[in-house]
Parts: sequence; C-alpha cells; structure tokens
Amino acid sequence: QVQLVQSGAEVKKPGASVKVSCKASGYTFTDWYINWVRQAPGQGLEWLGRITPNSGRTDYAQKFQGRVTMTRDTSVTTAYMELRSLRSDDTAVYYCARGPSTIRLWDGMDVWGPGTTVTVSS
Amino acid sequence: DIQMTQSPSSLSASVGDRVTITCRTSQTTSNYLNWYQQKPGKAPTLLIYATSSLHSGVPSRFSGSGSGTDFTLTISSLQPEDFATYYCQQTYTTPITFGQGTRLEIK
Repeated sequence: QVQLVQSGAEVKKPGASVKVSCKASGYTFTDWYINWVRQAPGQGLEWLGRITPNSGRTDYAQKFQGRVTMTRDTSVTTAYMELRSLRSDDTAVYYCARGPSTIRLWDGMDVWGPGTTVTVSS
Repeated sequence: DIQMTQSPSSLSASVGDRVTITCRTSQTTSNYLNWYQQKPGKAPTLLIYATSSLHSGVPSRFSGSGSGTDFTLTISSLQPEDFATYYCQQTYTTPITFGQGTRLEIK
C-alpha cells in the first residue's frame, strides 16, 4: 500500500539543525510532489515547501527561505527536510505529504506521513 | 500569498445535523481547493479535492462546492466519527496556504 514513513522524534537546542526523512513506498516516487507541512502545538497547518522528486526542483515558503533545504534520494525513495537555526517557535509536528501528482495538478495531498515531533528547547 | 478565511472557527452540532463550513480566498484559486479532516494526534486526511471531487474511501455524506473565491464543505448528516477539525487548502499557487481550521464539536 502507499505509505510515507517518517524518522523519529527529535529534541534540539536553539541554533541547532534538524533533518527529517520521509520514506515513500507503494507508488512511483518520481510521479508525485512531496510537501512538508508543520503544526505547532494547538495551532493550524503551515506549509514549508515542496520538492519535485523527478527533477529535485524545490519551492519554499518565503518565511523559511534560507533556513530550509529539501532534498530527495530517488535510489531509496526518500525525501528529506533540513531546518537550520532552530528557535523555540519551531517546536512542532512536521509532516510530509504526497501530492499532487505531476500530471494531475488539481489533486490534493492524499497520503500523509505520521508526523515527526521536533522539540526545540534549551 | 493567497489568504484563506474559514468560518466558523468552531461549531457545535448534534449527530444527524447538516453542517456547512465556508472558506473564502483572497483571490481566485480556480478549482484548486481541497478540504481535510484532522483528529487529535493524527495527520490530516484528504476529504475533497478540486473543489467537489470526493477522495477515494470518503463517505458520500461529505460534499464540496464553490467557485472563484467562495467554497463550502457540507456534511449532510453528522456521524459520531465526524467530530474533528476541518481545514481548507489552496494548491493553485505557491505558497500553498491553509485556512485556520474549523473545530466541529458535539453539542
């Protein structure tokens, strides 16, 4: 079945970096965008950016430009999101989500990973 | 950036009620408007994509409609498992943006 499996919870100090992985299986990895979305405690959903696995092209939200890097390794069908210069307000659950497909741009994000909790605390 | 305004922010309703949630966008999103359900401690799940298309496996009591800048999610007859938070989302242009969420509670 189609699924996204994320790496485990992280605890980081302010100023550090975190790298979260998202392993895809059950579909053709290069046919679908991979997005990264976060949710701070008790808050709504915030899009950080996405990667096109086929080309490696990235689109980042302006808020995270210069602080986030999204990459992928097609040989292991895994996407990665690195966030640097962490602050306490980066404490959140970070989700990867598949979608849309590169040929059906009107699709939503139909498969989500379970989330990775990142806690930033001194 | 396209701003998304959902209303209401919270809603109390009873099992069997018909419920409508509204999402207004700050500029047109064509039909690139999606709806998600999220339960506590879980990842969001896709309900509706492209304004009105029901995602596979989603019960037919959920429906979406709208055009331009005004969209709605309707639940025709609330079931106990429908009490959750709902988000609209536009994927017409980046940055992809979400509404602030509508918390649906049991009356």
